[in-house]
Amino acid sequence: QSVLTQPPSVSAAPGQMVTISCSGGSSNIGKNYVSWYQQLPRSVPKLFIYENNKRPSGIPDRFSGSKSGTSATLGITGLQTGDEADYYCGVWDNSLSGFVFGTGTKVTVL
Amino acid sequence: QVQLVQSGAEVKNPGASVKVSCTASGDTVGSYSVHWVRQAPGQGLEWVGRITPSGDSARYAQKFQGRVTVTRDTSTSTVYMELSSLTYEDTAVFYCARDLHYWGQGTLVTVSS
Repeated sequence: QSVLTQPPSVSAAPGQMVTISCSGGSSNIGKNYVSWYQQLPRSVPKLFIYENNKRPSGIPDRFSGSKSGTSATLGITGLQTGDEADYYCGVWDNSLSGFVFGTGTKVTVL
Repeated sequence: QVQLVQSGAEVKNPGASVKVSCTASGDTVGSYSVHWVRQAPGQGLEWVGRITPSGDSARYAQKFQGRVTVTRDTSTSTVYMELSSLTYEDTAVFYCARDLHYWGQGTLVTVSS
C-alpha cells in the first residue's frame, strides 16, 4: 500500500488533455520535490518531470507538472497514441527516510 | 550519454540470495546516488534502496531491511544489490537508476523451485 495515491486510470480522445493527480502527505509531497515517470508497455521507466515542474531534455512541453500543498499533478495536452503508458509520481518521504512511488495511473487514448 | 548496464536474468531457489550488478558507462556512478527499484509482474514500482555517491551510506525501504545490501565499487563504476532469503514474491524485474533519472535496462529475477 503506497503512501501516494493516484487514480488507476484516465482516458481521453487524441488531441485532448488529461490530468493525473498524486495525493500524499506532509512528510513527502508537502516537503520535497515530486518527480513523474512514464513507463511504456514492456519498457523501462523514464523520467518525465523532476523538481515538481521541470522537464528533462527531450521531453515535449505537452507534459507539465505542478504541486500544491500535499498534492501534485501531471498534465498532458494534445494527447497522442504514443502517450499511452503507465505514469508514476515519486517523492522522498522524510518519515520513512526513503523514496516512495505512487500507485500508478494508466493513460488510455480513446 | 550515460548508460547503466545491468547483469543478466537470474533464476534462484526459494531461500537463496541473488546479487545484481549495475555498471555505468559514459560517466561514473561515483558522483551520484544509485537507487534500486523492484517491479513485480503486472505491478507498480517499488523503491528498494539507494547508496550515496561515496558509497559509505546506504538506505533501504523498511520492507527490505535486513534482507538487502547495496554496495559500490568506484574503481569499476559498478553498484551491486544483493537480496537474500528469496521468496516467490521476489520474482520481479529489478532496476538500478542514477539519481532516479537514468535507468538501467532491468534484471529479471525469477524465484522458482
